[in-house]
Amino acid sequence: RKEVEQDPGPFNVPEGATVAFNCTYSNSASQSFFWYRQDCRKEPKLLMSVYSSGNEDGRFTAQLNRASQYISLLIRDSKLSDSATYLCVVNRSGGGNKLTFGTGTQLKVEL
Amino acid sequence: SQTIHQWPATLVQPVGSPLSLECTVEGTSNPNLYWYRQAAGRGLQLLFYSVGIGQISSEVPQNLSASRPQDRQFILSSKKLLLSDSGFYLCAWLLTVEAFFGQGTRLTVV
Repeated sequence: RKEVEQDPGPFNVPEGATVAFNCTYSNSASQSFFWYRQDCRKEPKLLMSVYSSGNEDGRFTAQLNRASQYISLLIRDSKLSDSATYLCVVNRSGGGNKLTFGTGTQLKVEL
Repeated sequence: SQTIHQWPATLVQPVGSPLSLECTVEGTSNPNLYWYRQAAGRGLQLLFYSVGIGQISSEVPQNLSASRPQDRQFILSSKKLLLSDSGFYLCAWLLTVEAFFGQGTRLTVV
């Protein structure tokens, strides 16, 4: 089983739609969780951290469910510029600070 | 401010040739540094990480090696490239828990 699993997509949605991505992780001792955004042929960049209480940044909402080992990202009012691959990232506990990346979910926002 | 530099941006190398990719960080000291590889259509795979000069940990057995000759320099090497070494190589620096990436090197082994 992969340490971090995501649906690869692609998710094709019209502009203005709401879209949700899910991610599951296998290591129950994982401590920190993030969503990164990666544009085509570019390096990943941090989109937002994910907290147990849930957090929101403008149109983006991230949630963590530790009991189910599940992370989500909700994007409201999708823009064309949201088209990218969204990577679920988990920071393992023990053995140093190491980020484990999911394979990413591709989003395409269309007119 | 802290920045991370990685070069070259693209590289085409024949099978069996050597490889050297360099990554440097500015604006910080004693950073945790990482090399990741992203194969086409796949996720980022952690190859090596380093917590200090001369300290290298390998995550997966492979045809590659890493070195950290200076505090803010991290080098990825191979003596003989394989076709399967093709991919997008990313150097990263970890500030507390957020990773900052270099612009990446797209390596094609032919």
